[in-house]
Amino acid sequence: EPEVTQTPSHQVTQMGQEVILRCVPISNHLYFYWYRQILGQKVEFLVSFYNNEISEKSEIFDDQFSVERPDGSNFTLKIRSTKLEDSAMYFCASSVSSGSPGEQFFGPGTRLTVL
Amino acid sequence: GESVGLHLPTLSVQEGDNSIINCAYSNSASDYFIWYKQESGKGPQFIIDIRSNMDKRQGQRVTVLLNKTVKHLSLQIAATQPGDSAVYFCAEWFPGGGNKLTFGTGTQLKVEL
Repeated sequence: EPEVTQTPSHQVTQMGQEVILRCVPISNHLYFYWYRQILGQKVEFLVSFYNNEISEKSEIFDDQFSVERPDGSNFTLKIRSTKLEDSAMYFCASSVSSGSPGEQFFGPGTRLTVL
Repeated sequence: GESVGLHLPTLSVQEGDNSIINCAYSNSASDYFIWYKQESGKGPQFIIDIRSNMDKRQGQRVTVLLNKTVKHLSLQIAATQPGDSAVYFCAEWFPGGGNKLTFGTGTQLKVEL
């Protein structure tokens, strides 16, 4: 069964450093998303991406964040200068279309720890 | 809105009993609601969804009920099994929102043998 994959599973970084989280969405999906989950809290939307551009972003997704689809398979989230409060699980998701949000498939997540 | 904290509401049930997990949503424009299951160390997994023009939908061992009057959603799990132990989140979606899902706080379901 096709699935969303994410690398690395755990990333430890120093405050102020740049990190890139990588995702490979399901191959025939057209919509891509990043969510984050601070430990013990709810999942929060960061950004949605379609046709090589951002279609929606949350207040969390400030100028320190960027997304890119560098090739036909990868979808990345970059944090330019990490802060302690960026420590969280980051989930990538993808869907075939926008008409059925229940079809958003989530990856296993990357745990980001900022020291 | 819903409160967010470090301690999730917890529901403990005996194996074989039915479980009912509740969720309050905030956006009256939401058109679509989804229940996700999240096991420890994993991403959210889709369980069942319901559109706003329905008040009940059944799946395999799961039923979702929607009460738009009071903006309330529930997930019923029949004959709860140890493998059902997880955190359950409701999520809402509304048209024109960039396809984003807005998640609730979550409920920890613990199944006791």
